[in-house]
Amino acid sequence: DVKVTQSSRYLVKRTGEKVFLECVQDMDHENMFWYRQDPGLGLRLIYFSYDVKMKEKGDIPEGYSVSREKKERFSLILESASTNQTSMYLCASTKVQEKLFFGSGTQLSVL
Amino acid sequence: QKEVEQDPGPLSVPEGAIVSLNCTYSNSAFQYFMWYRQYSRKGPELLMYTYSSGNKEDGRFTAQVDKSSKYISLFIRDSQPSDSATYLCAMRGISSGSARQLTFGSGTQLTVLP
Repeated sequence: DVKVTQSSRYLVKRTGEKVFLECVQDMDHENMFWYRQDPGLGLRLIYFSYDVKMKEKGDIPEGYSVSREKKERFSLILESASTNQTSMYLCASTKVQEKLFFGSGTQLSVL
Repeated sequence: QKEVEQDPGPLSVPEGAIVSLNCTYSNSAFQYFMWYRQYSRKGPELLMYTYSSGNKEDGRFTAQVDKSSKYISLFIRDSQPSDSATYLCAMRGISSGSARQLTFGSGTQLTVLP
């Protein structure tokens, strides 16, 4: 079975802190994604990557950056966390376009 | 107006009921339609996938697409407490080259009461 592992289940950070969210997949997928999930807004794509060192902006990239130095690892970086970035963050990977495999999510609270 | 509208619920039904979950959309270019299921404190997982109009059945689940009405449905027969989850619809156009073009609904929270 595909496994997508997110490093933290819950995180609490202060405004202005730099935050790293890590994601690792074990199925050699080329494509990896970062979404945030907010009540009433569904899943919104922040960034995705289709290859090592390649990245593309999603629908809401502002305030975020990403890093993909190895195929299995995709990191989301909040350069200076703000309270409006409090959310559930979901990492996903796929080889086929429609079947995304998601991690269990990181609930981030920015105080 | 959102591209994809989904009634957030919550929806509570007794065990054994037939459940109907729905999404409407505005983009006529959407051709691929999916339903994801998300259990509490978990990430979503793909449940059903259909292309263009028609029905697709998988066990107790049936996905239905009506492109003329821009309306998709997921039916759950003989619902079980284990079906309690949030159900998200997702869709994309035929010219979209990757899953980055998936547009998700906001999800419907379903509870099946024993």
